[in-house]
Amino acid sequence: GQNIDQPTEMTATEGAIVQINCTYQTSGFNGLFWYQQHAGEAPTFLSYNVLDGLEEKGRFSSFLSRSKGYSYLLLKELQMKDSASYLCAVLDSNYQLIWGAGTKLIIKP
Amino acid sequence: GAVVSQHPSRVICKSGTSVKIECRSLDFQATTMFWYRQFPKQSLMLMATSNEGSKATYEQGVEKDKFLINHASLTLSTLTVTSAHPEDSSFYICSANPGQGDSNYGYTFGSGTRLTVV
Repeated sequence: GQNIDQPTEMTATEGAIVQINCTYQTSGFNGLFWYQQHAGEAPTFLSYNVLDGLEEKGRFSSFLSRSKGYSYLLLKELQMKDSASYLCAVLDSNYQLIWGAGTKLIIKP
Repeated sequence: GAVVSQHPSRVICKSGTSVKIECRSLDFQATTMFWYRQFPKQSLMLMATSNEGSKATYEQGVEKDKFLINHASLTLSTLTVTSAHPEDSSFYICSANPGQGDSNYGYTFGSGTRLTVV
């Protein structure tokens, strides 16, 4: 079966750095997405990785290792507004999006 | 940037009635749109893929006669929840890929519809 694993919840301090991991087992791979979802709202696109390596976008970076079936989202200089759920999703060989359950990130002052 | 407009944002309906949810791509054409359902503290669950000009493709376990999907134009897809019951109460979200299959654009989501059936 297809499976996406990410931690259920993480806590970090304002101004710090946090890394949210995602491991996947899917039938084929056509890229991995990270989305941010605030409570009661729809997800918003953060990043897309299809090749191995690190993609940096301001305070957010996303890393992919296809051989390990592993990705992480790195958030720097955490702000209170970063408190949200972070969803990892993989596009499989049929171009279907397989979603992880999301990681709830709690930022403390 | 690409925008997907979804409405209504919230709807409360009586059990047994039908509710229509609209999803529009405002600045791009979407031959395909995706309809998701999300229960509290759970991940997004794909319900169906809406294809312009043809029948929608439903995921296993999703009743196509209960969740009617119409994709009549390149910018509009609708989901109608027929004979709604309290267990249909959920957060319904549509999405589309503004890059016409280019994943670098990500998938843009509508703002979601919170359906409560009483």
